[in-house]
Amino acid sequence: QVQLVESGGGVVKSGESLRLSCAVSGFTFSGSYMSWIRQAPGEGLEWLSYISNSGRAIYYADSVKGRFTISRDNAKNSVYLQMNSLRVEDTAVYYCARGGASTGYFRHWGQGTLVTVSS
Amino acid sequence: DIQMTQSPSSLSASVGDRVTITCRASQSISNSLNWYQKKAGKAPNLLIYAASTVDGGVPSRFSGSGSGTDFTLTISSLQPEDFATYYCQQSNTAPYTFGQGTKLEIK
Repeated sequence: QVQLVESGGGVVKSGESLRLSCAVSGFTFSGSYMSWIRQAPGEGLEWLSYISNSGRAIYYADSVKGRFTISRDNAKNSVYLQMNSLRVEDTAVYYCARGGASTGYFRHWGQGTLVTVSS
Repeated sequence: DIQMTQSPSSLSASVGDRVTITCRASQSISNSLNWYQKKAGKAPNLLIYAASTVDGGVPSRFSGSGSGTDFTLTISSLQPEDFATYYCQQSNTAPYTFGQGTKLEIK
């Protein structure tokens, strides 16, 4: 059974940092690209970043480039999103999902973790 | 970046209706188009990938078509559980952009 479980969300102030984690089970994590996607309140879905199975290929959306860093630990079956210099507009539910690059669709998703950035 | 535009933004329909949602890409994306269903408080659910391949476990009333820049999602006979928001997403080129969503409401 495939499971993706995000953690690390919370309430922070503008300019602060937060690190999200996503623990995976039920599929071969070390063979899978992983992505982070978010949904701001009342808004649509926004893809943020992917990381290749090896971690060597990484891509960011312009909205988070230079502020967010994606990483993974294949020994721990986990993917991470380090979020620095957070802005009020980063307030959203953050999802990790399996996919990116050649498998550009997202079949497996976590339940999401809420990040709230206050001014 | 490739822009994805869905229409309509919202739609009222009745159980049993046939519904079509369209998605247009700002440039050709071949068949790299995926559709998701999103309900409040839940993760998105993949319905269709590669424009027309129905994902496993998805009811056969869902279908997708199109290539290049114009795509459609069709629900042949709406069921109560289909009232949700639907998103298209292009996977041709990163960043993998989503449409703005189509909210399907009960008439």
